[in-house]
Order: sequence, then C-alpha cells, then structure tokens
Amino acid sequence: AQSVSQHNHHVILSEAASLELGCNYSYGGTVNLFWYVQYPGQHLQLLLKYFSGDPLVKGIKGFEAEFIKSKFSFNLRKPSVQWSDTAEYFCAVKSTGRRALTFGSGTRLQVQP
Amino acid sequence: DSGVTQTPKHLITATGQRVTLRCSPRSGDLSVYWYQQSLDQGLQFLIQYYNGEERAKGNILERFSAQQFPDLHSELNLSSLELGDSALYFCASSVGDTYNSPLHFGNGTRLTVT
Repeated sequence: AQSVSQHNHHVILSEAASLELGCNYSYGGTVNLFWYVQYPGQHLQLLLKYFSGDPLVKGIKGFEAEFIKSKFSFNLRKPSVQWSDTAEYFCAVKSTGRRALTFGSGTRLQVQP
Repeated sequence: DSGVTQTPKHLITATGQRVTLRCSPRSGDLSVYWYQQSLDQGLQFLIQYYNGEERAKGNILERFSAQQFPDLHSELNLSSLELGDSALYFCASSVGDTYNSPLHFGNGTRLTVT
C-alpha cells in the first residue's frame, strides 16, 4: 500500500528564512507527486506537481520541490518565506493503478514577521 | 476559487442523525472524490465517482454512502452519526480518472456532531 510521511508536523520560521519540508513516500512503481497548501479557513490548493522529466519542479509563489527517486523523497523548498506563507502543507502521491491521492499528515508552517 | 462548490459550509447535528453533503464539480470535470479531514486521522480518501459510476473506495465506513448524479454533482450521505464523525469533509474534482489528473478541492463542509 502506498503511504506518505511528512516528518515535520509544525515548523516555525522567521520571515526571509529558508524553508525545506520533508516528504517521503513508499511505493516502488511510477508515481505522481504533489504538494498542496491549505491557508487558514480555505480549501487545498495545488502548489506544484511532478509527473516525469526534470526532477526539480517549480510551482506557484516561489516554491519548488525536488524528486529524488533513490530516496523516495519529494521535499518542498522555498529560499525566503513570507508571513503570507503561513499555512498547512500537504504532500500527496498518486500511483499507477490507484485512482486517489494519498496524503501525508501535513506540516503546519508558521512564519513570524 | 477552485470552481468546486460544496454545501453547506457548516453542519451541526446530533448523534444518531443522518446528513447529506453536496458537491458540484468544476465545469467539465467528470471525477468527484470525497475526503475526510480530521485532527487525528489527517486527510483520508473516502470514495471516488467518475461520470456517475463508483471507481474507487477508500476508508469509507458502511454508515456512509455516496452517489454521483447525471448532472455530475455528488452527494455524500452520513448516517447513524457518531461524535467521531466530526470533521471537515472535502470534495475534489478532476477532468479524468487517471492518476495524472490533478485534483481541485472545494472549501469543505465542517460537520460537528454533538
């Protein structure tokens, strides 16, 4: 069964600090990987996705993620966070043969001004 | 705005009752997914419909059921409600039902069972 692990449950950063959120998945086959963000009181929004090709993918709002197949990882990064990045971030995986996304438990990011 | 509409936004009901949550997918999307988000379980996939047919089942309880109508809107029925069913229920839609169709989420229905 596929699963997704997000090891950081709560991260607190100051504005302009760099961000890296970890995501590991367990599935040996072909996967599509996603990062979603949920701002307070809002729905989940797609930040970025990886299907194939360049393992470094760029998303909206300056976020990027790197797919490292050998490590089963898809970490999210941003060089300089802003207060408006305060939100919960979810990593998700979808594999061939499965129709639904499997989400990680989420990481709550709090950016202090 | 994702284009996915969920009603109602909030629902407060008592244990043992039955409720219906409604979802209208984005225009052109044929797939509808239901997810439950709770503090202890995170985001759990419940069920997926594609063009009116059930396509996949996740961790959906027998007390829960869903359907997708010819106009593609979907309803999630929750019966014999328990306190533990209190959660945020999200609907998401996508164009296809293949694994590379990104999901677009609605704002969710917050269910409180008292």
